[in-house]
Amino acid sequence: DAGITQSPRHKVTETGTPVTLRCHQTENHRYMYWYRQDPGHGLRLIHYSYGVKDTDKGEVSDGYSVSRSKTEDFLLTLESATSSQTSVYFCAISDRGPSTDTQYFGPGTRLTVL
Amino acid sequence: AQSVTQLDSQVPVFEEAPVELRCNYSSSVSVYLFWYVQYPNQGLQLLLKYLSGSTLVKGINGFEAEFNKSQTSFHLRKPSVHISDTAEYFCAVSRASGGSNYKLTFGKGTLLTVNP
Repeated sequence: DAGITQSPRHKVTETGTPVTLRCHQTENHRYMYWYRQDPGHGLRLIHYSYGVKDTDKGEVSDGYSVSRSKTEDFLLTLESATSSQTSVYFCAISDRGPSTDTQYFGPGTRLTVL
Repeated sequence: AQSVTQLDSQVPVFEEAPVELRCNYSSSVSVYLFWYVQYPNQGLQLLLKYLSGSTLVKGINGFEAEFNKSQTSFHLRKPSVHISDTAEYFCAVSRASGGSNYKLTFGKGTLLTVNP
């Protein structure tokens, strides 16, 4: 298994509070991704990173920000959590670009916003 | 932009029966195609992918898929399923032209349930 960990694995928070999810990899892969998974929607890309300090938006980036100060860590922040952000969040990594390369997924973080 | 449609949200089958999970895509340019599997309470893992070459792609766990450009399809098949194949299966597409940073677009998933 690819060395990807996500923390926390479960979190319950209240509307309006900030939340930060962490993805940590030990594979030294260049690309890192944050997805959310919701019933009936499959996986949707929130943000991704193609190097340290290099990030780009995905299809559902509103309300989320990311940071990558080290190769191994990719943080996802919800500045002010809303109930619509209740979801399961997956981090993924790949060595080369997302177009052709296999992505390896972490175990997920289940976030509930009350 | 590309899109992918998984035609069945749920597919129930009996153990040792064959199965086909259907995937159609839409794109104005050439594409790469992927199937990922998600076992209960886990992240996704790659089953197989089509980048070029033979249109019949073999993956892990006895699965295979065939790229059909004229029908814009990439259906996943297995001749005989096991209980352990119960999982959600996702088809995904990315652009083949231009740079390497074109992102994957996932379908909504098909839940395969294998019954004894």
